[in-house]
Amino acid sequence: DGGITQSPKYLFRKEGQNVTLSCEQNLNHDAMYWYRQDPGQGLRLIYYSQIVNDFQKGDIAEGYSVSREKKESFPLTVTSAQKNPTAFYLCASTTWGWTEAFFGQGTRLTVV
Amino acid sequence: AQSVAQPEDQVNVAEGNPLTVKCTYSVSGNPYLFWYVQYPNRGLQFLLKYITGDNLVKGSYGFEAEFNKSQTSFHLKKPSALVSDSALYFCAVRDTSYNTDKLIFGTGTRLQVFP
Repeated sequence: DGGITQSPKYLFRKEGQNVTLSCEQNLNHDAMYWYRQDPGQGLRLIYYSQIVNDFQKGDIAEGYSVSREKKESFPLTVTSAQKNPTAFYLCASTTWGWTEAFFGQGTRLTVV
Repeated sequence: AQSVAQPEDQVNVAEGNPLTVKCTYSVSGNPYLFWYVQYPNRGLQFLLKYITGDNLVKGSYGFEAEFNKSQTSFHLKKPSALVSDSALYFCAVRDTSYNTDKLIFGTGTRLQVFP
């Protein structure tokens, strides 16, 4: 079955550590996105990529980094510079023409 | 800038009654509008979209939405609510301004259907 896989589902990070969240899709979609979800704030865009080896900052990119070396993969690194990283992170992908965006099941990151 | 607003944090409705979840938008040009649903600790599931054509859009699980250009609204509706419809609902608009191409989401509305 085609879809988007995010891993891990739950992730715990100590303060000062970098962590990487995985996002893989087998839908052959060109565009991929990372969103952060906090209670009462909806979803906010962190980074997105329209094509391999290219990506753009979203609204809240500070403290995050991404790469897009393969069409199928769009990992997100939460760096120690991100002051409040505890949140639910969602990855999405779309086709050209935006028939719809498909979402992964999310990763819940907690700083301990 | 493109934006969507969901004026209600929570909507409560009795099972079997009709439900409406409100969304208004602000876009330049023709809007691409979407509704998504989220169950606890899960990703978002697509319900329906409006790109062009009929103002009444039918989607998954018996949901529909009415696009109203004069009121810049895209309210989600269902004729008869089920307890299993209880979830968090997001309205979204596609933003292609300033050489971007992304979805902008509202803050979400929690729907609670009581038996």
